[in-house]
Amino acid sequence: DIQMTQSPSTLSASLRDRVTITCRASQSISSWLAWYQQKPGKAPKLLIYKASTLQGGVSSRFSGSGSGTEFTLTIRSLQPDDYATYYCQQYDSYPWTFGQGTKVDIK
Amino acid sequence: QIQLVQSGGEVKKPGASVKVSCKGSYYSFNNYGISWVRQAPGQGLEWMGWISANDGDTRYAQNFQGRLTMTTDTSTSTAYMELRSLTSDDTALYFCARDFGGYYGHLDFWGQGTRVIVSS
Repeated sequence: DIQMTQSPSTLSASLRDRVTITCRASQSISSWLAWYQQKPGKAPKLLIYKASTLQGGVSSRFSGSGSGTEFTLTIRSLQPDDYATYYCQQYDSYPWTFGQGTKVDIK
Repeated sequence: QIQLVQSGGEVKKPGASVKVSCKGSYYSFNNYGISWVRQAPGQGLEWMGWISANDGDTRYAQNFQGRLTMTTDTSTSTAYMELRSLTSDDTALYFCARDFGGYYGHLDFWGQGTRVIVSS
């Protein structure tokens, strides 16, 4: 199985900060990577797929980059609604696997 | 608006089975698959498996082989996930999500989640 490792596990940031989360795959997954945002007790929300394609309706403050084994999610100018946990997911090969999550909280 | 609506919460005893449903609306159900993902209390997301609504093809995570069955009923646009031989480790929030499969395996729409509690 492909292992996905996110860093950091927790990130403290202030409003209007630029935030970067990293996701590393244990082997190359080309660009078959998605990012999700999840709030407590709610279903995850797709933000980005194919490493850098913004899902419809998602704020352009979110962006994704990378290919192969290293990927990043960037949130430009953090807003109150962005405090949440973020997960990466690979869909290069079954079983799909998620990173362990990165919690973004208030500094 | 595309919707996936899941069945209500369940409380089960160890050793029992649970079957969760997921009804899709406002999209062509047959043209997509459904992935199931669970989240234990305070933990991350765990992918369980995928089923094609088109032909019933399935992919299961190794952790669940032998006690997990996914099915679909295209006449009602509903997917089902049955997990058998439950233990306390299966206590979790279970989600279904639309998943075309393969290189379109991002999960673009999700159900609201079904809480399953396994307790004696």
